[in-house]
Amino acid sequence: DADVTQTPRNRITKTGKRIMLECSQTKGHDRMYWYRQDPGLGLRLIYYSFDVKDINKGEISDGYSVSRQAQAKFSLSLESAIPNQTALYFCATSDPASSGNTIYFGEGSWLTVV
Amino acid sequence: QQQVKQSPQSLIVQKGGISIINCAYENTAFDYFPWYQQFPGKGPALLIAIRPDVSEKKEGRFTISFNKSAKQFSLHIMDSQPGDSATYFCAARPLGSGNTGKLIFGQGTTLQVKP
Repeated sequence: DADVTQTPRNRITKTGKRIMLECSQTKGHDRMYWYRQDPGLGLRLIYYSFDVKDINKGEISDGYSVSRQAQAKFSLSLESAIPNQTALYFCATSDPASSGNTIYFGEGSWLTVV
Repeated sequence: QQQVKQSPQSLIVQKGGISIINCAYENTAFDYFPWYQQFPGKGPALLIAIRPDVSEKKEGRFTISFNKSAKQFSLHIMDSQPGDSATYFCAARPLGSGNTGKLIFGQGTTLQVKP
């Protein structure tokens, strides 16, 4: 089983709908992240959380919100989806005790907004 | 805005050849430079990383070369194999981010190694 699990893996939704992407991890890491991947743009940080009570905006947080329900769970919401939010979304965790604070990514959630 | 620029966008190499991917950054406020490898349908995974006080780091067939004065760093894959076919991302961690996962990623390079 994957250490960082994302659900759903694929989703098509309509413009204006609310959509939630869920992430759970078994690595025991306090730090969790949501990144977005677009062709030609690489990965960009949406939100990050150092613990349940510490949530921070990343580069591109507009149009997104997050919830850290527990140490192991971090969800990303699009309150009113728009087509330019069509992308591949990655949840990730990290362990600051590791050299360089290695990031561990989930397998991604493809989101298409039509 | 801090940026990391990666080239080429795509690369085709014959088996046994050397694959070279380049990255450049626009300011000096970075303290850690990892490379990530991503296979289709999978998330990126850390491949190799370097700190700016080192000019080169080698792990097996993979080498990072770092040129601090030119603000450039590159990934060299020696004896490239079909199994190396993947997308590669360079990244840089902003100074002052501490032990966080706040990385600035390059645009990615899709590598195809032909048998």
